[in-house]
Amino acid sequence: EAQVTQNPRYLITVTGKKLTVTCSQNMNHEYMSWYRQDPGLGLRQIYYSMNVEVTDKGDVPEGYKVSRKEKRNFPLILESPSPNQTSLYFCASRPGTSGAPTDTQYFGPGTRLTVL
Amino acid sequence: GESVGLHLPTLSVQEGDNSIINCAYSNSASDYFIWYKQESGKGPQFIIDIRSNMDKRQGQRVTVLLNKTVKHLSLQIAATQPGDSAVYFCAGLSGNTPLVFGKGTRLSVIA
Repeated sequence: EAQVTQNPRYLITVTGKKLTVTCSQNMNHEYMSWYRQDPGLGLRQIYYSMNVEVTDKGDVPEGYKVSRKEKRNFPLILESPSPNQTSLYFCASRPGTSGAPTDTQYFGPGTRLTVL
Repeated sequence: GESVGLHLPTLSVQEGDNSIINCAYSNSASDYFIWYKQESGKGPQFIIDIRSNMDKRQGQRVTVLLNKTVKHLSLQIAATQPGDSAVYFCAGLSGNTPLVFGKGTRLSVIA
């Protein structure tokens, strides 16, 4: 089954304790991205990656890091989480960039993070 | 900068009626516009898209209309059902740049 998986699905942590949210896709997609979703603000992109070893900042990259060492994985790293990073996080992937079909953008199930 | 926004944050519709969800955008360079549906506790799910050189596209019970003159996009859902209750997002896609999402409209279907 084609899917994007995220782990963990729920996480409560404390300020300053480093954490990683994993994202994996089994569709050999080139393009992967991370979003955070907050009430009244919709989905905002944090980082994206067009291919292995290629990452770029999205709209709200401060306080986050990513890596793309393999095509299937795109972990989101919070080196020193703060309460304003409490949010719902989504990973997404799609086949490619320009000219790629838009109906194959897949979203993961979401990770609800609470930073105390 | 580029932005995609929605006119109404909430919409309540009687079951069986048609729903219309609107969206405005500012970037005329978008190649595609896409509508997503997000049910509670789940990630966004693709509904339908439209290329920027089209005015209308129909899917199963859904129609997307694009008015480039006024930079307006709408999603029409025919014979709205309780299962259509969700938050709907429009998004713009331009070449290699990331998707830009609107803030979302919550559709509530009244039985």
